[in-house]
Amino acid sequence: AQKITQTQPGMFVQEKEAVTLDCTYDTSDPSYGLFWYKQPSSGEMIFLIYQGSYDQQNATEGRYSLNFQKARKSANLVISASQLGDSAMYFCAMREFNAAGNKLTFGGGTRVLVKP
Amino acid sequence: NAGVTQTPKFRVLKTGQSMTLLCAQDMNHEYMYWYRQDPGMGLRLIHYSVGEGTTAKGEVPDGYNVSRLKKQNFLLGLESAAPSQTSVYFCASSYSFTGDTQYFGPGTRLTVL
Repeated sequence: AQKITQTQPGMFVQEKEAVTLDCTYDTSDPSYGLFWYKQPSSGEMIFLIYQGSYDQQNATEGRYSLNFQKARKSANLVISASQLGDSAMYFCAMREFNAAGNKLTFGGGTRVLVKP
Repeated sequence: NAGVTQTPKFRVLKTGQSMTLLCAQDMNHEYMYWYRQDPGMGLRLIHYSVGEGTTAKGEVPDGYNVSRLKKQNFLLGLESAAPSQTSVYFCASSYSFTGDTQYFGPGTRLTVL
């Protein structure tokens, strides 16, 4: 079974609007962390936001927020007030704390294109 | 502070040739990782290291070897390159505690003809 699933291969969003990127995960480990990375066309992986499984509050970092619904095993990324520079691939990833080496497992990604 | 650097940025190999990719980090991180990214896909872990002198297999280790002789460097070797190894390779590093994020290098684009 897929550990990380991103069901939206691509999406358009109008500049200045908000967009939600879906991510569901599968784990039996009670302790885990969820990450979102941005990969622009230049190719580098940029860390955006982190949510721990025991965190009581949803994580926020500037225009990025993570809608964490533990019972549903979802960790959706919300980008508010989209900008043209937000056009990129976005990857959800999970680290299971019992996994050796703190390994990350990545989803297949969602491509976001922001329209002016 | 350069973060995570990778050498080279691009490389073209012929089938059967060998090469080594170098990853260096200056953040004193314990853990280092090598991933590959194929078109339209997420990253898959090849090998990783939890400290100097240690290495372990990831999700897709076949055809690759690694070494971590120094804490700041993590080398990925291809002994006999195959077209299936055409990919973009990313190195990453992190501290040892589990909540920390991984910091990525800029990637190496490898083409095997």
